[in-house]
Amino acid sequence: GENVEQHPSTLSVQEGDSAVIKCTYSDSASNYFPWYKQELGKGPQLIIDIRSNVGEKKDQRIAVTLNKTAKHFSLHITETQPEDSAVYFCAASKRDDKIIFGKGTRLHILP
Amino acid sequence: GAVVSQHPSRVICKSGTSVKIECRSLDFQATTMFWYRQFPKQSLMLMATSNEGSKATYEQGVEKDKFLINHASLTLSTLTVTSAHPEDSSFYICSARVGAAEQYFGPGTRLTVT
Repeated sequence: GENVEQHPSTLSVQEGDSAVIKCTYSDSASNYFPWYKQELGKGPQLIIDIRSNVGEKKDQRIAVTLNKTAKHFSLHITETQPEDSAVYFCAASKRDDKIIFGKGTRLHILP
Repeated sequence: GAVVSQHPSRVICKSGTSVKIECRSLDFQATTMFWYRQFPKQSLMLMATSNEGSKATYEQGVEKDKFLINHASLTLSTLTVTSAHPEDSSFYICSARVGAAEQYFGPGTRLTVT
């Protein structure tokens, strides 16, 4: 079955700098790659997603890139702000199938 | 975006009792809902997939007789933790699928069994 690896597990960046979180997946049939942000005591919130027919997607300060050949995808957050501090999960799935999550990255934005 | 609610947000119960958690899709119909549990500082662990009008599909290692799931309508799924024990204390989160892939999550329910 699908396996999603996520790195790093913890990331600290200075406010205003960029943050990058990387994930790899094992099943070449996976075609949907969402990213979730989870704040303490809350459910995950979908922040951006990308499908396998697209190499890059951007939404304001957030961008995701996908390399299907290498089975890598990454989340990029630019101009980080204190409210970006949270746990971020990458995930992968196939159509009509369950989502497989990475282990999460705890992002700390330093003042 | 799609909104999913859960009730209650927090519940404390005594060991041996049962607890029901509701998951609702507020502005869309969801033929498929999912139930997860999450321990502190860990990822989400899928417990079961719930399809409207049919029996839930449980992940390996999840006791179907302990975690009863009912998906009676296109907007409501329930999880009942039967004969709860302290080790069942966790953060339970539901999600609802929109279309073929996108999942939207509820705010979670913190269960504490004393």
